[in-house]
Amino acid sequence: SYELTQPPSVSVSPGQTARITCSGDALPKQYAYWYQQKPGQAPVLVMYKDNERPSGIPERFSGSSSGTKVTLTISGVQAEDEADYYCQSSDSSATYVVFGGGTKLTVL
Amino acid sequence: QVTLKESGPVLVKPTETLTLTCTVPEFSLSNARMGVSWIRQPPGKALEWLAHIFSNDEKSYSTSLNSRLTISKDTSTGQVVLTMTNMDPVDTATYYCARIPPTYGECYFDYWGQGTLVTVSS
Repeated sequence: SYELTQPPSVSVSPGQTARITCSGDALPKQYAYWYQQKPGQAPVLVMYKDNERPSGIPERFSGSSSGTKVTLTISGVQAEDEADYYCQSSDSSATYVVFGGGTKLTVL
Repeated sequence: QVTLKESGPVLVKPTETLTLTCTVPEFSLSNARMGVSWIRQPPGKALEWLAHIFSNDEKSYSTSLNSRLTISKDTSTGQVVLTMTNMDPVDTATYYCARIPPTYGECYFDYWGQGTLVTVSS
């Protein structure tokens, strides 16, 4: 079955840049999406189609794609950005949805 | 603002069938290419996609759970129903429904329900 691989954790100090990666064999063919989930809350879409930001998401969130890897970048990290982040995509036939294992972003 | 609301039992016994309902009052399930998906999250673990259904009744299921899942919709009531048979304690999770926006060739979730915690225990 198709998998997306994320690092379990990323730590940064306030004001620094956080980069969260997601790897998968179908990513050159399928878009990636990113969700932010804070404790006790439902996930929130923060990036779609690799690098499109939904309305209401701060400009410090950006996305990029290169080959089998996509990256969510948070510039000037703030304490409120501390959360779990999940990447999501589809298999090469766009039939099945898959989530990465999630990355816990800690703001030191 | 689009809202989705999950409803169903908070506790089910092992081997029972779980039935969850997602109510979507602010958008029509008959709109072209609109979809609703079910996603679950065991306590402290990652999100897991379960199934989705589109306005044209196209359906897709997780390969690992395919034999246990059925998804259906009632456009007139604005509800999407998921049934999962033969429940086991490992199925204990928060179950979310989420909207798939009307984009062709893509599948992602722009609005989520608050989730409902289902515990499987005798």
